[in-house]
Amino acid sequence: GQQVMQIPQYQHVQEGEDFTTYCNSSTTLSNIQWYKQRPGGHPVFLIQLVKSGEVKKQKRLTFQFGEAKKNSSLHITATQTTDVGTYFCARIPTWRGGSEKLVFGKGTKLTVNP
Amino acid sequence: KAGVTQTPRYLIKTRGQQVTLSCSPISGHRSVSWYQQTPGQGLQFLFEYFSETQRNKGNFPGRFSGRQFSNSRSEMNVSTLELGDSALYLCASSRMGQGFFGSYEQYFGPGTRLTVT
Repeated sequence: GQQVMQIPQYQHVQEGEDFTTYCNSSTTLSNIQWYKQRPGGHPVFLIQLVKSGEVKKQKRLTFQFGEAKKNSSLHITATQTTDVGTYFCARIPTWRGGSEKLVFGKGTKLTVNP
Repeated sequence: KAGVTQTPRYLIKTRGQQVTLSCSPISGHRSVSWYQQTPGQGLQFLFEYFSETQRNKGNFPGRFSGRQFSNSRSEMNVSTLELGDSALYLCASSRMGQGFFGSYEQYFGPGTRLTVT
């Protein structure tokens, strides 16, 4: 269907290790967004990717959009305890009247051991 | 700039009752979307309002409804509450609505935690 599958569901790392979460779709995505939700908090927008093969960096975070625009990844280098939270990907429809629906992935919950 | 505000923050209701939640978007934002978040189902889209019109709707029963006022403030109503409606209800505002190509950065409010007993 129109779901976006996110893996892994949980990830526990030691502080300093790298972390990657993946978002996959069976259909071509017009765009992908990433959000972070801290424990007890609300989702906070991180980034939006639109172009095929796009790579964007925010300090230790690297976001990629696949060439076929069916998958995306978020990679965190040298995790810190402040990275703890759940990371969501989301597809936002960009064409009114189209069949694409807004959908969030189930999220990857990251815990970091200090 | 003030963020998205939601009231009330916590609510306890009994099965069969109805509830109204309120959301005030960031000033200048015309789009307000509502989401239900539960541990099992994750973040699910309820509906989006843009300039007082419902523009998009998720797969929720008709017990869930909403509206948007001329000042962009939005309310969500759930009638005949069921135990399964217990969740965190989040609203998010955006400058542009869904269906506009370009940045659709959403700003989420703190949510309303609804418990149905």
